[in-house]
Amino acid sequence: KQEVTQIPAALSVPEGENLVLNCSFTDSAIYNLQWFRQDPGKGLTSLLLIQSSQREQTSGRLNASLDKSSGRSTLYIAASQPGDSATYLCAVRPNTGGFKTIFGAGTRLFVKA
Amino acid sequence: EAQVTQNPRYLITVTGKKLTVTCSQNMNHEYMSWYRQDPGLGLRQIYYSMNVEVTDKGDVPEGYKVSRKEKRNFPLILESPSPNQTSLYFCASSLRYNSPLHFGNGTRLTVT
Repeated sequence: KQEVTQIPAALSVPEGENLVLNCSFTDSAIYNLQWFRQDPGKGLTSLLLIQSSQREQTSGRLNASLDKSSGRSTLYIAASQPGDSATYLCAVRPNTGGFKTIFGAGTRLFVKA
Repeated sequence: EAQVTQNPRYLITVTGKKLTVTCSQNMNHEYMSWYRQDPGLGLRQIYYSMNVEVTDKGDVPEGYKVSRKEKRNFPLILESPSPNQTSLYFCASSLRYNSPLHFGNGTRLTVT
């Protein structure tokens, strides 16, 4: 059964620091992997989507990588800002048909001004 | 504005009283799904739909029903709610199988 793990559960960094959030999954048979941001009391906002055939995706200060064989993805945030404070979640779509989506529990990020 | 709309945002009810949480999207998306979010457990998928009249179970379907009679709507039905269904519920939609998920703002349900 596919399991998705995000470590650390929480992270506090000073403003301006570059940081990496980790996501690991147990079964490499995935169709894609998606990173989301969740602000308190709000829904999830899609940040980056990586198809299984891709190695990375970039959007502004964000870069997500995917290594299917090792079951890992990272979200790199450059020059962090207080506005980046949120919970970041990754989710995989197993390559088993259907429309299942398996989420990690998230990393809560706090960027100190 | 392209969006996924859930109603209500907050709901307090009693055990056994049937309720429906509505979800509507205005983006002509094929795929829709429901999730619940609980502290320490993350988001877990309840049901999903790949098209009108096509629905299937996610990881935690027990105690829930769904229907997809129109493309834009995907209501979540709790026929006999119990306290263990107290949770934050999210609806999401996607244009295609490999497209990003778009989420609603959530429905916080409390069952006493």
